[in-house]
Amino acid sequence: QVQLQESGPGLVKPSETLSLTCTVSGDSISNYYWDWIRRPPGKGLEWIAYIYTSGSTNYNPSLKSRVSTSVDTSKNQFSLKLSSVTAADTAVYYCARHSRANDVWSSIDVWGKGTTVTVS
Amino acid sequence: QSMLTQPPSVSGAPGQRVTISCTGSSSDLGSNYNVHWYQQLPGTAPKLLIYDDIHRPSGVPDRFSASRSGTSASLAITGLQAEDEADYFCQSYDNRVSGSVFGGGTKLTVL
Repeated sequence: QVQLQESGPGLVKPSETLSLTCTVSGDSISNYYWDWIRRPPGKGLEWIAYIYTSGSTNYNPSLKSRVSTSVDTSKNQFSLKLSSVTAADTAVYYCARHSRANDVWSSIDVWGKGTTVTVS
Repeated sequence: QSMLTQPPSVSGAPGQRVTISCTGSSSDLGSNYNVHWYQQLPGTAPKLLIYDDIHRPSGVPDRFSASRSGTSASLAITGLQAEDEADYFCQSYDNRVSGSVFGGGTKLTVL
């Protein structure tokens, strides 16, 4: 059974860079699309980015200028960097997997437990 | 980025039926991308409830069902139970951003 675990600092200062890593266990990271999604306090879910195991990636246009993602298939991990953070970036950040191999249109069937990041 | 449109809240008494709507646009549901539904209980990660418009993953009770027509979709919950109290989100693919788009979420209160 695939499991995802987010890791990274829970507190980031304004104007600095938020860095998170998602470790995939129970299956290979290969051939799937992997997402970063966040939920700010009192708000809904917001898609941040996806990355494919080839390294192909795409970002939410509202965050594109500040976001980057990477994948390390040897470690079964993928990562998120969000620069120049403000209080508006305070949220629970989730890593997640699309359900069908090679299909970014498919549902998201595996989620990490989420990690709370506070910008202050 | 645009969101899919959901009502902010719905409520119902135990045993009743409630529905949650999800309205999209030409770049998501209108382009025939599937809609998926998630349940998020307080303090937990979202859980896949319905995939590909109408299908339930293994383990999801048949009290949960969904439908879809054109740019609209709907989630129905029958035999409402206290444990159903949660936030519900619809999600699809948006070809304007080439990525996922979520609804704003609907808070279900069981009276």
